[in-house]
Parts: sequence; C-alpha cells; structure tokens
Amino acid sequence: QEQLVQSGAEVKKPGASLKVSCKASADTFTSDDIEWVRQATGQGPEWMGWMNLNSGNTGYAQKFQDRVIMTRDTSISTAYMELSSLTSEDTAVYYCARYRPVIRNAFDMWGQGTMVTVSS
Amino acid sequence: EIVLTQSPGTLSLSPGERATLSCRASQSVTSNYLAWYQQKPGQAPRLLIYGASSRATGIPDRFSGSGSGTDFTLTISRLETEDFAVYYCHQYGYSRDTFGQGTKLEIK
Repeated sequence: QEQLVQSGAEVKKPGASLKVSCKASADTFTSDDIEWVRQATGQGPEWMGWMNLNSGNTGYAQKFQDRVIMTRDTSISTAYMELSSLTSEDTAVYYCARYRPVIRNAFDMWGQGTMVTVSS
Repeated sequence: EIVLTQSPGTLSLSPGERATLSCRASQSVTSNYLAWYQQKPGQAPRLLIYGASSRATGIPDRFSGSGSGTDFTLTISRLETEDFAVYYCHQYGYSRDTFGQGTKLEIK
C-alpha cells in the first residue's frame, strides 16, 4: 500500500536544528516530488518547499530559504527536511506530502505528521 | 505571493443541507491549479478536489469544485455527519504554493 511514514515527535531547544524523515513506497520514490508543509495549532497549513525524489532538485519558500535543506536517501526511499536556528515560532506539526508533477493532482498523499515543540 | 482568503470563517449547517465554501485569490491562479482539502482534528489534510473541479480518487460525488481565475467554490450538496470538519484551499504547481486560512464547517 502506498503511504508516507514520518519520524516521531521531537522537542528542541531554541537555536537547535531539526531533521524530520519521510519514508515513501518504492513507486513514489521513483518519479514524484515530496512537499513539506507545516501547521501551527489552530492555523492553516504553510508550504515550506519541495524535492523531486528522482533528480534531487529542490525549491524552497522564500521564508525558509536561508535555513531549510531538503535531501533524500534513495537506498532507503526516504526524504528528509532539516530546519535550523529554531525558535518558538517553529512549533508546529510538520507534514510531508506527495505531488505528482506529471498528473498535477495537488498533494494526494500525506504523512501522518510529526509534532515539533521548540521550548527552552 | 498569492494570498487565498476563505469565507466564511465558520459555517453552521445541519446534515442534509447544502454547503458552499468560497476561496478568493489575490491574483489569478495559474492554470486553475486550485485544490481543496478536508481536515479533521489530529489528522492530516485529505485531498478532495484538484485543478479547481476534478474530484480526487475515492471522493464522493456530493463534493464538487468550481471556479476559475481568482474565485473558487467548494460545494457539498447534502451534508453528512462525517463532513463536519475544517476545509482549506491551496494553490499549487509553480513552487510558490499557498494555503487559505480555512473554513470550519460545524453542526448547527
């Protein structure tokens, strides 16, 4: 069954870095994009950026450009999102989602979310 | 950045009624790449509609999307109890994605 499985909840101190993983099925990993979206409590989702799993090409939202890096490990079908210089405003649920550029059917599959709390 | 404004913020209706949710963009959405999602507490968003009017796989036909340019609508023809949730619109496809702030659909 196609699915995205994310790493578990994290608690971080201000100034630290965060790395969230997203394991995809083999079919997804060959051709699709993985998008990263975060959602603070009671807020709408916020798009952070994308990575193409085949080429490794990335695109980041301007807001995060200076402190986000998206990578992948093709040997284990896993994508990663690393966010540095954390502040309390980075407390949110972080999601990975699949986007199929050929079909352009928006984000049709989502991970279960990773709760990240930034607190001293 | 395209700002998506959803209205109303909260919609109170009864099961069996028709729901109409609006999403207005600050500028034209390229190729009408506008999606709608449903989100329930503690869950990830679930894709309902993409390309403004195409239903995603497995979505009941009581959900429909319409609109183009800057004005888009999600219609739920006959509400069922499981439809009460928060709905978000999302413009996508050109690496400058944005989401609306959401409409909460609650039971009256």
